[in-house]
Order: sequence, then C-alpha cells, then structure tokens
Amino acid sequence: EAGVAQSPRYKIIEKRQSVAFWCNPISGHATLYWYQQILGQGPKLLIQFQNNGVVDDSQLPKDRFSAERLKGVDSTLKIQPAKLEDSAVYLCASQLGLNTEAFFGQGTRLTVV
Amino acid sequence: ELKVEQNPLFLSMQEGKNYTIYCNYSTTSDRLYWYRQDPGKSLESLFVLLSNGAVKQEGRLMASLDTKARLSTLHITAAVHDLSATYFCASQWGGGADGLTFGKGTHLIIQP
Repeated sequence: EAGVAQSPRYKIIEKRQSVAFWCNPISGHATLYWYQQILGQGPKLLIQFQNNGVVDDSQLPKDRFSAERLKGVDSTLKIQPAKLEDSAVYLCASQLGLNTEAFFGQGTRLTVV
Repeated sequence: ELKVEQNPLFLSMQEGKNYTIYCNYSTTSDRLYWYRQDPGKSLESLFVLLSNGAVKQEGRLMASLDTKARLSTLHITAAVHDLSATYFCASQWGGGADGLTFGKGTHLIIQP
C-alpha cells in the first residue's frame, strides 16, 4: 500500500516570498491533515479536511496560510508571505476513519531566511 | 482546549533497563495514540488505544490507557539501542473525528 506522498522534501525561501506544498494521501482516506512541526516540538494541527470540506482550521494563520483539497484527494498548503518563524517541517497525514491511526508523510522541511 | 503533557522530555538509559514514559491529557478522551520519530524522519504509528484499560504490546514496548486518570504509559522492557528515538503521544477529542493533539515528545537515548 502506497503511503502519504509529499513534495517537495526541502525548500529554502527568503522571507516575504511565497511557497506551496503538495500532499497526496493514501487512497480512500477521507480525512487529511496538515501539521506544522517546529524543531524540538510536537506536531501542531493547522487544518483538517474531511473529503474536500474543512473540518477545523482554527489554528491556521489565515492571514498568510491557505489550504485546499480539490476533489477530496490531493491537497496543497500555501504560505504567502513567509516569515522567519514559519521555518518548520510541514507534515501531511491521512486517516481512513474513526478508530484508526493517522499515517504521516515524510514532510517538507521549510527554511525561511 | 485539549492539552497533552509528556514526561520525561528527555531520557538517557542503558541497554537492558526498563523505563516508563508518561502521557497526561487534559480533557476527557478515549483515544490515545503513540508515535515514534527517528531524526529527520516522519512519524511512525506504534499503538492505537481506544478504550479505558486498553493494553497493547509490540516487542519490548507496551502501552496502556487509563481514561479515568487521563493517563497513558509507554513501558520499555530491556531496552536496546534500536529503540533510541523520540516518542510522541497524541490524544484525539470529538469521538475520534477531531485532529490529534500531540505532546512535546520524549527524546530517548539508549546507550550500550
């Protein structure tokens, strides 16, 4: 079974630039999450999708972050403009349903300079 | 707001020893997950605990859940170097429909 695919693996940008991350979840998984993991900390939920609808985006900095999940499959997360404090690993995860674990992708390591 | 606290945050131990990592969470939840993360890698699911009193074991790792105490433990038996990693617990509210709230992680180093 193919896992959660993310790209790119690494990205370095200057502050105030924009960047986008892509995620392809495990086939059939209706729930998709984006997490931000700052070095030395646990992942923090940014946004949760159920199919193509947003379930929870309460912790998403909406002035600069946006995310979409067209057709309820792939998802993109965008940051515009980036700040230094956005440097982190952005993890995408998908989940089949209730009472199952979420599977995580390899993540995109973003460095903002 | 659901909060998850792990302790210790850092643990250095010798091979062959036993130890326990503790995970406390703030709000009633009956779903608790344990993940492992190696340096530079993503998170690997270890255990899914779905009910009070649940106990699961895989090799030298055993996890348990006490929903009344809002406590989960991850017990390591006769540790080996390969278990060196960061271990995260995560709780999930909303009957399993919400996202996971993670603890800060326990950085475990097992020395020969």
